[in-house]
Amino acid sequence: DIQMTQSPSFLSASVGDRVTINCKASQNINKYLNWYQQKLGEAPKRLIYNTNNLQTGIPSRFSGSGSGTDYTLTISSLQPEDFATYFCLQHNSFPYTFGAGTKLELK
Amino acid sequence: EVQLVESGGGLVKPGSSLKLSCVASGFTFSSYGMHWIRQAPKKGLEWIALIYYDSSNKYYADSVKGRFTISRDNSKNTLYLEMNSLRSEDTAMYYCAIGYGFDYWGQGVMVTVSS
Repeated sequence: DIQMTQSPSFLSASVGDRVTINCKASQNINKYLNWYQQKLGEAPKRLIYNTNNLQTGIPSRFSGSGSGTDYTLTISSLQPEDFATYFCLQHNSFPYTFGAGTKLELK
Repeated sequence: EVQLVESGGGLVKPGSSLKLSCVASGFTFSSYGMHWIRQAPKKGLEWIALIYYDSSNKYYADSVKGRFTISRDNSKNTLYLEMNSLRSEDTAMYYCAIGYGFDYWGQGVMVTVSS
């Protein structure tokens, strides 16, 4: 199975900050990497698909990059509504696997 | 607007069975693969099953293979997960998601397996 190591687990930041969240795969996942945002009691929401494609309706302050085994989600300027949990998903090979999540908190 | 609504969860005893449903709207259900994913309390997410748009292929995580069955009824826009021989470790929030790329997710339904 492909292991997804997500970091950091917790991130404390302020409105306006630029933040990055990383996912490292245990083997090449050929850019089949998605990023999701989840708020308490809500369905996970896809932000980025296949490394760097912005989901329709998602603000452009969200971006993704990476290749091979290393992937990054960047939020260029945090807004109050961005404080949530973020997780990555590799869908390159079965079984599909997730990062453990990053909880983004207001400093 | 895409909507996925899961139902059928609840509290069951170890060894029992349960069938989850996921009713879809807002898109052409019969054109998309569908997934089930779960998240145990205080744990990470686990993909558990995928079914192709036409039910031609099904894939399972090893943890549920032989016990869980994914199916769909395209005439009813509904995805199912039949769960047998339930164990305490199957206790989780269960989500359905649309698309091979997990485009949209439902809000989930809780399954608790406890004596």
